[in-house]
Amino acid sequence: GENVEQHPSTLSVQEGDSAVIKCTYSDSASNYFPWYKQELGKGPQLIIDIRSNVGEKKDQRIAVTLNKTAKHFSLHITETQPEDSAVYFCAASDNQGGKLIFGQGTELSVKP
Amino acid sequence: GAGVSQTPSNKVTEKGKYVELRCDPISGHTALYWYRQSLGQGPEFLIYFQGTGAADDSGLPNDRFFAVRPEGSVSTLKIQRTERGDSAVYLCASSSGLAGVGGELFFGEGSRLTVL
Repeated sequence: GENVEQHPSTLSVQEGDSAVIKCTYSDSASNYFPWYKQELGKGPQLIIDIRSNVGEKKDQRIAVTLNKTAKHFSLHITETQPEDSAVYFCAASDNQGGKLIFGQGTELSVKP
Repeated sequence: GAGVSQTPSNKVTEKGKYVELRCDPISGHTALYWYRQSLGQGPEFLIYFQGTGAADDSGLPNDRFFAVRPEGSVSTLKIQRTERGDSAVYLCASSSGLAGVGGELFFGEGSRLTVL
């Protein structure tokens, strides 16, 4: 089955700086790669996703890149703000379709 | 309600007891997922339903865990003979389509289970 590795586990940046989180996946058949943000005491919430037929997708300050050959994808947050502080999870769809396999999470802290 | 609702939000039980956790998905969502999240970890897949049937239960750790969705809406996760290692936040998510096929997963806030 699919296995997703995520790093770093913690990331601290100054407000206004950029943050990058990276993930690798194991199954070349996976075709859907979402990123979720989880705030304390809440469930994860989708912030951006990308499909395997696209190399990059951007939504305001957030962008995701996908390298199918290397089987890795990354989340880029520019002009970080204190409210970006949260735990971020990458995920990949299982090759059978239907379920998501999550990475271990990255705790992002944005210092004002 | 507008989102996925999970009850109870917190459950404390003793080792060996039986527990039920309930999930009310977003109205009209056909897919429903259960995940388990331990402290500092990512959500771990347990089971998902497409309609009333369990399409994939490969993540259930053992036969003490069981889930149902009899009418294709509300789902109940059942844990028998609870163990301390079952302590975690149990997350439910629903989707209008299967993950990877077009359906965004909408998560509830979870049920925190503590087994003493």
